Amino acid sequence: RKEVEQDPGPFNVPEGATVAFNCTYSNSASQSFFWYRQDCRKEPKLLMSVYSSGNEDGRFTAQLNRASQYISLLIRDSKLSDSATYLCVATGNQAGTALIFGKGTTLSVSS
Amino acid sequence: NAGVTQTPKFQVLKTGQSMTLQCAQDMNHNSMYWYRQDPGMGLRLIYYSASEGTTDKGEVPNGYNVSRLNKREFSLRLESAAPSQTSVYFCASTLRKRLEPALSYEQYFGPGTRLTVT
Repeated sequence: RKEVEQDPGPFNVPEGATVAFNCTYSNSASQSFFWYRQDCRKEPKLLMSVYSSGNEDGRFTAQLNRASQYISLLIRDSKLSDSATYLCVATGNQAGTALIFGKGTTLSVSS
Repeated sequence: NAGVTQTPKFQVLKTGQSMTLQCAQDMNHNSMYWYRQDPGMGLRLIYYSASEGTTDKGEVPNGYNVSRLNKREFSLRLESAAPSQTSVYFCASTLRKRLEPALSYEQYFGPGTRLTVT
């Protein structure tokens, strides 16, 4: 079983829509979680960390459910510029030395 | 502050040739990583270096070697390239921050090297 699993999509939504991505992780020892964004043929870039209490950054909201080993990302009022692949990431062990990446969920926002 | 830099950006090799991918970071991070990314496979860890002087295998180390030359530089070597090593290679370094109650690890990536082995 892949350690971090995501629905690959693609998610095709109109501008202004709200879209949610889900992710599950298998390693209960994982301590830290993140969402990264990757544009076509570019390097991944950190979008936001995911805190136990949930956190919001503008139109983006991340949630963590440790009991269910589940992470989510909600994007409100989608923009064309949000079109990208979103990678769910967990630390691999208690030392957190290496990050485990999901395969990514592709979002396409159209006008 | 250039962040993480990688050279070359593109490379074409013939089967059996060798080459070294270079990576450097100027953020004073302790940990550095090499990943490969293939369509449908996501990012897979090849090797990492938790600190200067140490290296460890990741998920897919076969066919690769690494050198942590100093705190700034972490190179990846293909001794005898094979078509299965055609991929995009990303180097990354990690900033460790304390976000109560846990440590947080923010990883910064270089722009990637697109390698084709024929």
